[in-house]
Amino acid sequence: NAGVTQTPKFRVLKTGQSMTLLCAQDMNHEYMYWYRQDPGMGLRLIHYSVGEGTTAKGEVPDGYNVSRLKKQNFLLGLESAAPSQTSVYFCASSQSSDTQYFGPGTRLTVL
Amino acid sequence: AQSVTQPDIHITVSEGASLELRCNYSYGATPYLFWYVQSPGQGLQLLLKYFSGDTLVQGIKGFEAEFKRSQSSFNLRKPSVHWSDAAEYFCAVERGNRDDKIIFGKGTRLHILP
Repeated sequence: NAGVTQTPKFRVLKTGQSMTLLCAQDMNHEYMYWYRQDPGMGLRLIHYSVGEGTTAKGEVPDGYNVSRLKKQNFLLGLESAAPSQTSVYFCASSQSSDTQYFGPGTRLTVL
Repeated sequence: AQSVTQPDIHITVSEGASLELRCNYSYGATPYLFWYVQSPGQGLQLLLKYFSGDTLVQGIKGFEAEFKRSQSSFNLRKPSVHWSDAAEYFCAVERGNRDDKIIFGKGTRLHILP
C-alpha cells in the first residue's frame, strides 16, 4: 500500500516548455486534489476532482489543466510554463469530506 | 467566504516546554476542522480532526486541540514538546459538503530550542 505517489520528484523547465505531473493513489479514494505551496502562502488549491471523469477549479487554476481519466490517477499539466509557476506541488486524495492523504511533493523550477 | 487564520508565522519553544498554536476560522456554521503537520521536505500528515461531539480532540504524537465555538478557534496544544516536533503546522477548515474544499491556513513554523 503505497498511499499517494507523485512523479517526478524534481523538475527544471525553461519558460514556455510543457510538462505533466502524475499523481497516483491506491486507496480507492473518490476525491483528489492538486495544491501548490509557496513560502508564506500556505497551500493553495489548483484543481480538484470529486470522482473519475470530473474536475473542478480551485483557488489558483490559471495556467494549469487537469485530467482524471482513471479513479486512481490525477494528472496536472502545464502547457506553457512560466517562472511564476516555480513552486512545490502536492497531490492529495480523500474519501469524501475527511482526512486528506498527501504525496511527497514535486519541486518544480521554471527558468 | 470561509477563511483560516494562523496569527503566528514562527514560534520558538524550549524542548520540554508546553506548546499552543493558534487557529481561528471564519464560517457561519460549525465546519470540519483539521490540524496537519509538515516535516521538512515532506508532504502533510494529519495530526487530528474535529467533526462533532467532544470539543477536545486527541491526535497523534501527543497533540490535542480544543474547538471553541464562541471564539471560532481550534488551537493545537502539546504539554511537552520534543525536538522531533520541529515542523510546520497547518490548520484547515472544510464545510463538509460534497464538492467542497479544504481551506488551509498559511502555517506556523515551530522551532525547538535544546
